[in-house]
Amino acid sequence: SQTIHQWPATLVQPVGSPLSLECTVEGTSNPNLYWYRQAAGRGLQLLFYSVGIGQISSEVPQNLSASRPQDRQFILSSKKLLLSDSGFYLCAWSRGGAGANQPQHFGDGTRLSIL
Amino acid sequence: DQQVKQNSPSLSVQEGRISILNCDYTNSMFDYFLWYKKYPAEGPTFLISISSIKDKNEDGRFTVFLNKSAKHLSLHIVPSQPGDSAVYFCAASDPRGTGNQFYFGTGTSLTVIP
Repeated sequence: SQTIHQWPATLVQPVGSPLSLECTVEGTSNPNLYWYRQAAGRGLQLLFYSVGIGQISSEVPQNLSASRPQDRQFILSSKKLLLSDSGFYLCAWSRGGAGANQPQHFGDGTRLSIL
Repeated sequence: DQQVKQNSPSLSVQEGRISILNCDYTNSMFDYFLWYKKYPAEGPTFLISISSIKDKNEDGRFTVFLNKSAKHLSLHIVPSQPGDSAVYFCAASDPRGTGNQFYFGTGTSLTVIP
């Protein structure tokens, strides 16, 4: 069966510090990978998605970036965090190469607080 | 621009009764819809889906209805149980997009009262 791991679960960072959140998927090959953010009282906002190694699509211009150095690894980064980057960050995967209409499956998220 | 809307932020239902969660969308090209359930401090869990070629899909206590002409879908939970208390998100997919992307609503918090 497939599993998705996301860490850390919580993170408190000062403004201006760098960020690196990691997500890995097990039990599947060439998955589609996604990073979402859920701000307080709001829905899920898609930040980045990837259909393959090194292929990153950005949905929202901001000071965050994503990378996919390996097939089942997805990393969310920032060089300098802003207060507005606070939120709940979720990684998700869906079956790749299977066309559309595949549910996405989520990790347990990272609660990021910027001080 | 919110293409998927859940206009009720919260809903309270007595245990054993029916819970009805609603979702509206604006993009007529959406052809695949899902419902997710989310507990606090956890990621959303996939619950049930429906394709635009159907108007109903049932899985145990959960039934999703799709009304394409009204651009409306709903999730029915019968009978409701206290463990169903969670935030429910609807999501929709546009087949013209790449990477199997979904548009999510803002969620409805369901409380099932014992």
